[in-house]
Amino acid sequence: ILNVEQSPQSLHVQEGDSTNFTCSFPSSNFYALHWYRWETAKSPEALFVMTLNGDEKKKGRISATLNTKEGYSYLYIKGSQPEDSATYLCAFGTNAGKSTFGDGTTLTVKP
Amino acid sequence: EAGVTQSPTHLIKTRGQQVTLRCSPISGHTSVYWYQQALGLGLQFLLWYDEGEERNRGNFPPRFSGRQFPNYSSELNVNALELEDSALYLCASRKTGTSGRYEQYFGPGTRLTVT
Repeated sequence: ILNVEQSPQSLHVQEGDSTNFTCSFPSSNFYALHWYRWETAKSPEALFVMTLNGDEKKKGRISATLNTKEGYSYLYIKGSQPEDSATYLCAFGTNAGKSTFGDGTTLTVKP
Repeated sequence: EAGVTQSPTHLIKTRGQQVTLRCSPISGHTSVYWYQQALGLGLQFLLWYDEGEERNRGNFPPRFSGRQFPNYSSELNVNALELEDSALYLCASRKTGTSGRYEQYFGPGTRLTVT
């Protein structure tokens, strides 16, 4: 059984704060790590696909890093805005096509 | 480009009944995944279809089944519904099933309530 763990489970920050959360996954047989954003009443939407150790990806104020040797990825949000409020999911992808999702980190940004 | 579509949006069934949920992937995507999100839980992998065949299934009883049609659309069937089957069922499609490096595109989901 493949375990993908995310922490913290939930996070409440003030508008303008920067924040980060963690996704832990098996470090052996790494293939790909995905981040998704899931806003309330919407479908999960892909943010990043990361495949190489040391990868850093950025989209606006959101960025992610990857350490495949120790089995973790960080997602950073700089200057959080209320519209960043969502559940952030990571998923471990295998070369057999299956993805295993973590339980997510729910971010609430207060104005 | 049309996204992943699912039907119906909402469904109410009684315990013991059977239900069929439907999913149409993005054009050109051959792989379809089904997930369950029960209240308070994360996304649980149910089934994965690619090129018309079941490639993998999650830790769910056999009363959860499905199929993929030649046009790559898919059905999820749940027999003998139980109260704990009440959940949001999400379908996702992917460009090709053989590479976990491709992102999944999710549909809006079907909210199933079992009474």
